[in-house]
Amino acid sequence: SQQGEEDPQALSIQEGENATMNCSYKTSINNLQWYRQNSGRGLVHLILIRSNEREKHSGRLRVTLDTSKKSSSLLITASRAADTASYFCATDRSNDYKLSFGAGTTVTVRA
Amino acid sequence: GEEVAQTPKHLVRGEGQKAKLYCAPIKGHSYVFWYQQVLKNEFKFLISFQNENVFDETGMPKERFSAKCLPNSPCSLEIQATKLEDSAVYFCASSPGQGPTGELFFGEGSRLTVL
Repeated sequence: SQQGEEDPQALSIQEGENATMNCSYKTSINNLQWYRQNSGRGLVHLILIRSNEREKHSGRLRVTLDTSKKSSSLLITASRAADTASYFCATDRSNDYKLSFGAGTTVTVRA
Repeated sequence: GEEVAQTPKHLVRGEGQKAKLYCAPIKGHSYVFWYQQVLKNEFKFLISFQNENVFDETGMPKERFSAKCLPNSPCSLEIQATKLEDSAVYFCASSPGQGPTGELFFGEGSRLTVL
């Protein structure tokens, strides 16, 4: 069953704007990861944040994790047309050695 | 290789026929995973391997699905007697030996269409 749920389901922004999407999950986790999927392609790993971390940066990406609220956010700053994709969060839980993916947020960046 | 290679890219089968998909993980990666993606949404976990051993098969519909990862051969996912609801994109992923829940490297997927 799905562990993570992304919000919003879809997001349309202008190039240069920031995009923020959220992920909520149900049970305690070890790690949370974010992946990107371009249309018709496989998932590409973006960033991993451990349960004892609160914030992580990678280039134009910023991820936060709030374990008390069981939620994470992904911020893409200064978006580009190439950021148009679906973004998925994935969690792994204690004693459950697989990643569970949410349903994704589809981001469209308009030129 | 440096990429997870999946074949075929597309496969069309009539209901009741068999379908077999292949995956070559990245060389040196210990874990292999199969996921099913229906309608561009949820990724459903099917099965994972640690080298050639089944690690977790809790997502597999066992009556029709089977999978193998044999030494020196691509991993395979086989569906006997396909049904319409098996239409999906099947993704294979591999990860290095830090454990099954680190970063996954995905292939481009195999799209199965059951008519």
